[in-house]
Amino acid sequence: QKEVEQNSGPLSVPEGAIASLNCTYSDRGSQSFFWYRQYSGKSPELIMFIYSNGDKEDGRFTAQLNKASQYVSLLIRDSQPSDSATYLCAVSFGNEKLTFGTGTRLTIIP
Amino acid sequence: GAVVSQHPSRVICKSGTSVKIECRSLDFQATTMFWYRQFPKQSLMLMATSNEGSKATYEQGVEKDKFLINHASLTLSTLTVTSAHPEDSSFYICSARDPTSGGDNEQFFGPGTRLTVL
Repeated sequence: QKEVEQNSGPLSVPEGAIASLNCTYSDRGSQSFFWYRQYSGKSPELIMFIYSNGDKEDGRFTAQLNKASQYVSLLIRDSQPSDSATYLCAVSFGNEKLTFGTGTRLTIIP
Repeated sequence: GAVVSQHPSRVICKSGTSVKIECRSLDFQATTMFWYRQFPKQSLMLMATSNEGSKATYEQGVEKDKFLINHASLTLSTLTVTSAHPEDSSFYICSARDPTSGGDNEQFFGPGTRLTVL
C-alpha cells in the first residue's frame, strides 16, 4: 500500500524563523510531489509542486526532493503568523490520483 | 485561473434524505475531477475519480450506490449522498486538474461542503 508519512506536529516556530516540514513516501515509483496548505475549516491550497531531485524556490517557500531517500520537504523562510496552518504533503504515483499525508500542524509564534 | 467552486458550502439534513453537492471548474475545462472526504483532524481521503462522459472510478471501500457521481459536462461534477446518515457527516471537497496549467497532476480544490446529518 502506497503511504505518505508526515509528522503530525504541532510544530511551533518563532516568527521570522525558518519552518521545516518533512514528508516521506513509500513508493519509489512516485513521480510528482505537492505541498498544500490548509487553514482550519477550509479546503487545501496548492503551495508548490516538485518533480525533479533538488530544490525549487518560490518566494519564501523552498521545496526539496530527494528521490533516493524518498523524502520531500518544505522550508518556509521568514515565517509569519499567517503561515500557521496544516501543511499536507501529497504524492502522485504515476497516475492522476494524489495520496495525501496526514498533515503537519504548524504554529508561528509572534 | 484554475478556480473551482462548490455548492452548497454547508448543508444540514435529516437522516434518510439525499444531498447533492455540485463542483464546477469556473475558468477551465476539467475532464477529470476528484471527490474527497475529510473527517475532523484527519487527512483527505479520495472517494472517487470523476471522468467526463463516463462512469466514476471509486476507491476501495466507497459505496458507489450510496455516493452517486455524475460528470455531465467538462465544467460540472455532482456528488449525491443518498440516504444520508449521521456517520456521513463530513467535509466533502472536490478538486480538478487544469490541463493547461503547465504542471503535471496538480489539483485545484473547491472550497468544500460541510455536511451535517441529523
